[in-house]
Amino acid sequence: EPEVTQTPSHQVTQMGQEVILRCVPISNHLYFYWYRQILGQKVEFLVSFYNNEISEKSEIFDDQFSVERPDGSNFTLKIRSTKLEDSAMYFCASRSSIGGGWADTQYFGPGTRLTVL
Amino acid sequence: GIQVEQSPPDLILQEGANSTLRCNFSDSVNNLQWFHQNPWGQLINLFYIPSGTKQNGRLSATTVATERYSLLYISSSQTTDSGVYFCAVYRSGAQKLVFGQGTRLTINP
Repeated sequence: EPEVTQTPSHQVTQMGQEVILRCVPISNHLYFYWYRQILGQKVEFLVSFYNNEISEKSEIFDDQFSVERPDGSNFTLKIRSTKLEDSAMYFCASRSSIGGGWADTQYFGPGTRLTVL
Repeated sequence: GIQVEQSPPDLILQEGANSTLRCNFSDSVNNLQWFHQNPWGQLINLFYIPSGTKQNGRLSATTVATERYSLLYISSSQTTDSGVYFCAVYRSGAQKLVFGQGTRLTINP
């Protein structure tokens, strides 16, 4: 069964450093998302991406964040200057949305645990 | 924005027991998904269920869209069912899934 993959599984970085989190969505999917989950809290939406542009973003997704689909398979989240409060699990998700119904299901990757020291 | 509330926040049961988890949402939705977050933090899709009833093995879910709630049933619980169960919804036109706070289920042997 196709799945969303993410790398790395765990990243440790120093405050102020740039990090890039990578995702490979399911191959025929059209919509891509990043969510984050601070330890012990609920999952929060960061940004959605469709047709090579951001379609919606949350107030969390400020100027230090950016997303890119550099080729036909990868989808990346960049944090330019990490802060302690960026420590969280970051999930990538994708959905097809061709035909409605089940195509609206969002499939989540296994997550990248980011630790900022 | 839409609000999602899950209950109970914590549930501790013995192996073999049955459980019911509830998700209330504040507005009409086009998508509702149930997830299980395992001890490694992975979000496992359980159901896509904006309305109606579905079953998958020992798990089943029912969404009553007109009354804005969904129920997840787990029968004959096993220790591997432990973890946090999340309900998440989105409305037509909105891209984002809005998650509830989750129900932490602990199944003791």
